[in-house]
Amino acid sequence: SQQGEEDPQALSIQEGENATMNCSYKTSINNLQWYRQNSGRGLVHLILIRSNEREKHSGRLRVTLDTSKKSSSLLITASRAADTASYFCATLYNNNDMRFGAGTRLTVKP
Amino acid sequence: GAGVSQSPSNKVTEKGKDVELRCDPISGHTALYWYRQSLGQGLEFLIYFQGNSAPDKSGLPSDRFSAERTGGSVSTLTIQRTQQEDSAVYLCASSPLSQGWNPPLHFGNGTRLTVT
Repeated sequence: SQQGEEDPQALSIQEGENATMNCSYKTSINNLQWYRQNSGRGLVHLILIRSNEREKHSGRLRVTLDTSKKSSSLLITASRAADTASYFCATLYNNNDMRFGAGTRLTVKP
Repeated sequence: GAGVSQSPSNKVTEKGKDVELRCDPISGHTALYWYRQSLGQGLEFLIYFQGNSAPDKSGLPSDRFSAERTGGSVSTLTIQRTQQEDSAVYLCASSPLSQGWNPPLHFGNGTRLTVT
């Protein structure tokens, strides 16, 4: 079973625009992680936000976390064509293993 | 090695044959995960190892699927009597998991399995 759900499923924007992706999860967490996947490759970790944090920044990435709503958002500012990829959120499930959502496919048009 | 290594990168097999997929995690990583990803879809959890033991096997789709890990390192995922619906990319990931805390996962590039 999947732990998280991302929305939208697909997002298409122009270069320079901001992209916002959302993630909802089901159980309590100690942290939430966002990953990126380029076509035909494995996932790469982008950023981790702890359950006691509300916002975190890394370069052009901004992540927010609302534990009361069990939701998180990933904002990519000033997007580039190279940001085209699928983005997944992940949380710990049953204190054992990491479960991923279905992902958001982002297309940034040059 | 520098990262998680999976082999083969591509595998084409006939329906009914058995296949074995291999994952070499990052040295020292105690946690190892297998996921399956169908085209354009999310990651389906298969199995998780902590050391050599698998606390959670609930994700294995059927009894045709099995996995083992030896020496707390290399893992193999075996699919017996493959079916066409087994066609997917099989991803392996590892992490230095400690109890109650989940650090980021490091993924291999996957094995693309095609069952004809």
